[in-house]
Amino acid sequence: DAGITQSPRHKVTETGTPVTLRCHQTENHRYMYWYRQDPGHGLRLIHYSYGVKDTDKGEVSDGYSVSRSKTEDFLLTLESATSSQTSVYFCAISEEEGVGSYEQYFGPGTRLTVT
Amino acid sequence: GQNIDQPTEMTATEGAIVQINCTYQTSGFNGLFWYQQHAGEAPTFLSYNVLDGLEEKGRFSSFLSRSKGYSYLLLKELQMKDSASYLCAVKDSNYQLIWGAGTKLIIKP
Repeated sequence: DAGITQSPRHKVTETGTPVTLRCHQTENHRYMYWYRQDPGHGLRLIHYSYGVKDTDKGEVSDGYSVSRSKTEDFLLTLESATSSQTSVYFCAISEEEGVGSYEQYFGPGTRLTVT
Repeated sequence: GQNIDQPTEMTATEGAIVQINCTYQTSGFNGLFWYQQHAGEAPTFLSYNVLDGLEEKGRFSSFLSRSKGYSYLLLKELQMKDSASYLCAVKDSNYQLIWGAGTKLIIKP
């Protein structure tokens, strides 16, 4: 199994508070991704990173920011949590992008509840 | 817009064969992935198709027709542990994965 951990695994927070989720990998993979998964929807890309300090927005980036100061760590911050951000958040890593079977490996997920 | 369609739920019997379909309309195509996701767990990679045809991997096979925007995942000799959601994802022209909502497969004894 790819070495990916996420912390915390579960979190309950109140509307308006900032929240930071952490993804840590031991695979030295270049690409890292943050997704959210909600019932009835496919995985939706929030932000991704293609190297240290290199990040870009995904499909549902509003209300989220990211940082990657080291190859192994990718942080997702909800600047002011809202109830619509209640979801399961998955981090994924990939060795490369482009044409080819560069599969993404997923972390165990973080279940976030905003009350 | 980009769209991936899969049936929401399917039921099959232990020992039988089941086919899970996926149709897609995306901006470009750089391959199609199938992932398995057990309840409460992370998705795990099953297969990748980029050329038309059938790829076989043990009890699981995946088929692709690019001209029809269509793929299926075939599971043979179903086991109770195959009860899971199966996610179809297409890599688009920007090399991003566009995901279907998943098909929940229920296996009955």
